[in-house]
Amino acid sequence: AQSVTQLGSHVSVSEGALVLLRCNYSSSVPPYLFWYVQYPNQGLQLLLKYTTGATLVKGINGFEAEFKKSETSFHLTKPSAHMSDAAEYFCAVSDRGSNYQLIWGAGTKLIIKP
Amino acid sequence: GAGVSQSPSNKVTEKGKDVELRCDPISGHTALYWYRQSLGQGLEFLIYFQGNSAPDKSGLPSDRFSAERTGGSVSTLTIQRTQQEDSAVYLCASSRGLAETDTQYFGPGTRLTVL
Repeated sequence: AQSVTQLGSHVSVSEGALVLLRCNYSSSVPPYLFWYVQYPNQGLQLLLKYTTGATLVKGINGFEAEFKKSETSFHLTKPSAHMSDAAEYFCAVSDRGSNYQLIWGAGTKLIIKP
Repeated sequence: GAGVSQSPSNKVTEKGKDVELRCDPISGHTALYWYRQSLGQGLEFLIYFQGNSAPDKSGLPSDRFSAERTGGSVSTLTIQRTQQEDSAVYLCASSRGLAETDTQYFGPGTRLTVL
């Protein structure tokens, strides 16, 4: 069965520093890949997604992620962290042909230090 | 509506009672999903609807859980004889359809606490 691993339940970076949140999936067949963000007391919001085409995907708020098939990874990055980026980030995948069911990672809480 | 809405936002109940959670999807969205988010864990898929039918109920944790959708719009998730392990945030999402380009939009969730 498909599974998603997010490395680090908490990641702390200084304001202005690079943000890197890691996501790996288990399927040998590339799935559809998603990053969602959950701000405190708010619902989940889609940051970006990869389905086909260019492997570097740009999302909202300056985030981007690169699909690397050889590494079965879809890491999320942002060049310069802002205080407003503090939130919980979830990676999710769905198997091609079964895109109604998202399989989720456990989430990574991003902490921004002033 | 402008977004997915859920009610109530918070529900505290006693063990053994039944609860109903409501989801109002984005107007025109044919697909609707229920997830459960337990403390410190990712989301767990429960069930989805295409129109009023639920082709896959395999994610429901037990037969105490049921869901229905009427008129292709509002959905209700019912938990009978609640247990403490049912305490979680229940999230609803909707999408235009089931195509790969159809994004799931989430509601704010219902936080259920079973005492």
